[in-house]
Amino acid sequence: DAGVIQSPRHEVTEMGQEVTLRCKPISGHNSLFWYRQTMMRGLELLIYFNNNVPIDDSGMPEDRFSAKMPNASFSTLKIQPSEPRDSAVYFCASSRGQETQYFGPGTRLLVL
Amino acid sequence: AQSVTQLGSHVSVSEGALVLLRCNYSSSVPPYLFWYVQYPNQGLQLLLKYTTGATLVKGINGFEAEFKKSETSFHLTKPSAHMSDAAEYFCAVSEDSSNTGKLIFGQGTTLQVKP
Repeated sequence: DAGVIQSPRHEVTEMGQEVTLRCKPISGHNSLFWYRQTMMRGLELLIYFNNNVPIDDSGMPEDRFSAKMPNASFSTLKIQPSEPRDSAVYFCASSRGQETQYFGPGTRLLVL
Repeated sequence: AQSVTQLGSHVSVSEGALVLLRCNYSSSVPPYLFWYVQYPNQGLQLLLKYTTGATLVKGINGFEAEFKKSETSFHLTKPSAHMSDAAEYFCAVSEDSSNTGKLIFGQGTTLQVKP
């Protein structure tokens, strides 16, 4: 069974550009989580969905960030416009109920 | 509200020595507890978890953790450290107010293994 799939794995962009990160959760999982990891702030939960519905977006840093989950097999995290301080590794994870949360390999984002 | 505290952001041991990474939690209901490991430039990988039953939980790569309710602890141990154990380790507790799988993570402990 394929794990959580994230794309792209690496993204380099210039300040002001739109960035879209993609995630395909494990089939059958009904919860999806977006995290951001930096040296300064560690691992932060940005937003999570349950049954495709956003449950808690209190971790989204500002209006430049938005996330969608149009169906059970796909989610996006968008940053528009991007800023250098958004540079980080973004992880997607999925779980079924309270069972184990499985993480994707991450997207390493660098905003110049 | 739940919380997780990992004592020591950095732990250094010699190869072959005991590894002890400390984790204390707070939860108003019986918790689900997890340890994840993150190797350099990789995502988080489940090391072990406690849900119910036996309080001593064995995980991958020779790690184990013991759930101690009276001490609200879930410390991670390994009898003999290997160079390949160098990584960052995260303790986490499940959020008890929902059934969504949301986890509350500790700040992480970086394990250094010296030859």
